[in-house]
Amino acid sequence: DGGITQSPKYLFRKEGQNVTLSCEQNLNHDAMYWYRQDPGQGLRLIYYSQIVNDFQKGDIAEGYSVSREKKESFPLTVTSAQKNPTAFYLCASTPGTGPNEQFFGPGTRLTVL
Amino acid sequence: DAKTTQPTSMDCAEGRAANLPCNHSTISGNEYVYWYRQIHSQGPQYIIHGLKNNETNEMASLIITEDRKSSTLILPHATLRDTAVYYCIVRGNNYGQNFVFGPGTRLSVLP
Repeated sequence: DGGITQSPKYLFRKEGQNVTLSCEQNLNHDAMYWYRQDPGQGLRLIYYSQIVNDFQKGDIAEGYSVSREKKESFPLTVTSAQKNPTAFYLCASTPGTGPNEQFFGPGTRLTVL
Repeated sequence: DAKTTQPTSMDCAEGRAANLPCNHSTISGNEYVYWYRQIHSQGPQYIIHGLKNNETNEMASLIITEDRKSSTLILPHATLRDTAVYYCIVRGNNYGQNFVFGPGTRLSVLP
């Protein structure tokens, strides 16, 4: 089945530790995105990548880093510099430009203890 | 990207049509209107999108006003499983334009 997978679904980490969230897609989409969602809020864009080996900061990139070494993978690292990392993280992809819908993964809920 | 405004919450009786409004008064000519919904703790689900003509699919209908400054998502026969947050998004097609998700409308379908 084609789609976007995120792992793990729930993640706990101690304060001060870096953690990497996985996002994989087998849709052959060019563009991939990371969003953060806090309780009762909309989605906020962290980073996005339109093509391999290129990515751009979104609205709230501070304390996060990404890589796009392969078309199908777009991992997000939450660093210790992120002041309030506890949130629901969503990965998405689109075929690229054009009036295409964005497909979302199931999300990873990160809790910092 | 143009901003959208939606009511914070709405109720709808089960089996009735749910009409969710969205204002996008600053929309530009090449921007599409997209609708997504999100059930608690899941990723958003695409519903429908359109440019200026009305659109219909198996999930919903999208009615866009002639001046394109507002639109309405219609769920023709709402069920309890349609309870979710509904997002109206305006997005252009140019390289680098992204989906901007606001707080959306929380639709509660009541038995």
